[in-house]
Amino acid sequence: GQSLEQPSEVTAVEGAIVQINCTYQTSGFYGLSWYQQHDGGAPTFLSYNALDGLEETGRFSSFLSRSDSYGYLLLQELQMKDSASYFCAVRGHFNKFYFGSGTKLNVKP
Amino acid sequence: EAQVTQNPRYLITVTGKKLTVTCSQNMNHEYMSWYRQDPGLGLRQIYYSMNVEVTDKGDVPEGYKVSRKEKRNFPLILESPSPNQTSLYFCASSSGGGKNEQYFGPGTRLTVT
Repeated sequence: GQSLEQPSEVTAVEGAIVQINCTYQTSGFYGLSWYQQHDGGAPTFLSYNALDGLEETGRFSSFLSRSDSYGYLLLQELQMKDSASYFCAVRGHFNKFYFGSGTKLNVKP
Repeated sequence: EAQVTQNPRYLITVTGKKLTVTCSQNMNHEYMSWYRQDPGLGLRQIYYSMNVEVTDKGDVPEGYKVSRKEKRNFPLILESPSPNQTSLYFCASSSGGGKNEQYFGPGTRLTVT
């Protein structure tokens, strides 16, 4: 079956750095994406990795290692508004998408 | 403004009463998809469509139908809703290009009693 594993909850303080890991096992792999979802809101796209390495977008970076079936999202200079759930997602064969169960990030002052 | 719209946003219905949740996008995206979100389970893909008249099952298609007669619209049909279909539903669209970026609608919270 398909599985994406990520921690259920992470807590960090404002200004800190936090890393959210994702390991996956899917039928086919055509890229790892990350989405942010605030309570009551819709998921919004953050980043995407198709190849190994680090992608940086402002305070957010995402890393992929295809040989390890592993990726992470790195959030720097945490702000209170970063408190949200973060989902990793894989596009597999036949354009199917698989999402992790989400990591709830709590940012404390 | 580029967006994905869904209607209704909230719906309470009874078991067995057919319903349709509409989804529309104004970005000329070829790829559209329906997801359900349940606590602790993340988002699970129900159905997706690569283009007009091309649809396929996602991970959890049982009890749902879809159609794609026009590029912009992708309705989700529950022919005979049951309580286990109580969930938060999201429609999403994507150009299908390199970044796999999906744009999500605001969600439809469905309760089946």
